[in-house]
Amino acid sequence: AQSVTQLDSQVPVFEEAPVELRCNYSSSVSVYLFWYVQYPNQGLQLLLKYLSGSTLVKGINGFEAEFNKSQTSFHLRKPSVHISDTAEYFCAVILNTGGFKTIFGAGTRLFVKA
Amino acid sequence: DVKVTQSSRYLVKRTGEKVFLECVQDMDHENMFWYRQDPGLGLRLIYFSYDVKMKEKGDIPEGYSVSREKKERFSLILESASTNQTSMYLCASSSLTLGGYTFGSGTRLTVV
Repeated sequence: AQSVTQLDSQVPVFEEAPVELRCNYSSSVSVYLFWYVQYPNQGLQLLLKYLSGSTLVKGINGFEAEFNKSQTSFHLRKPSVHISDTAEYFCAVILNTGGFKTIFGAGTRLFVKA
Repeated sequence: DVKVTQSSRYLVKRTGEKVFLECVQDMDHENMFWYRQDPGLGLRLIYFSYDVKMKEKGDIPEGYSVSREKKERFSLILESASTNQTSMYLCASSSLTLGGYTFGSGTRLTVV
C-alpha cells in the first residue's frame, strides 16, 4: 500500500539555524511529490512540488526540497529559519495512475525559537 | 486572488443532528476534495469529486455523504453527527493539471 512517512513529529530549532524536515514515501508506481505548510488556524498552502526534471526544487519562503528516487525520499530544507516559519509542514504524494488524489503524511511541527 | 471558501470557521452541533459543511471555489477547478484533519493522523480523505454530480469515496467515507450540484460548490453532509466526528474539516480544489491543491481555511466542528 502507498504511504507517506514524516520521520519527525516535532522539530525545534533556533532562529537563523538550518533545518531539514524528512519525508519518505512508499509506492509501487511513480509519484508526484508536494510539500504544504499550515499556519495556525489556517488551511494548507502549497510550498513546492516535484513533477519531473531537476530533482532539486525551490519553493516559496526560501524552502527547497530534493527528490531522491533510490531512497524514496523528499526532504525539505531551509538554510536559515525565521520565527515566522513556525508552522506545521505536510509532505504529500499523488500517484502517477491518472487520478488526482493526494496522500498526506502526518505532519511535522516546526517550532522556531528566538 | 483565487479562493476556496468554507462557510463556517467554527461549528458546535449536537449528537444526532444533520450537519452541512459548505465549500465554494472561484477558480473553475474540476476537482474538489473533503479531508478531515486530526492530531497525529494528518489529513484523511473523506470524499472527492472530479465533475458535477460525480462523487467517489475516499478512505473514511462512513457516516458522511457529499453533494456537487454545481461545479463551484461541494457540500459535505454528516447524516447523524457523532462525537467521533469532532474534527477539523478541510475542503480543497485542484485543476486537471498537477498544480497542487488550494485549500479553504477549514471548519472546526465540535459534536457534543
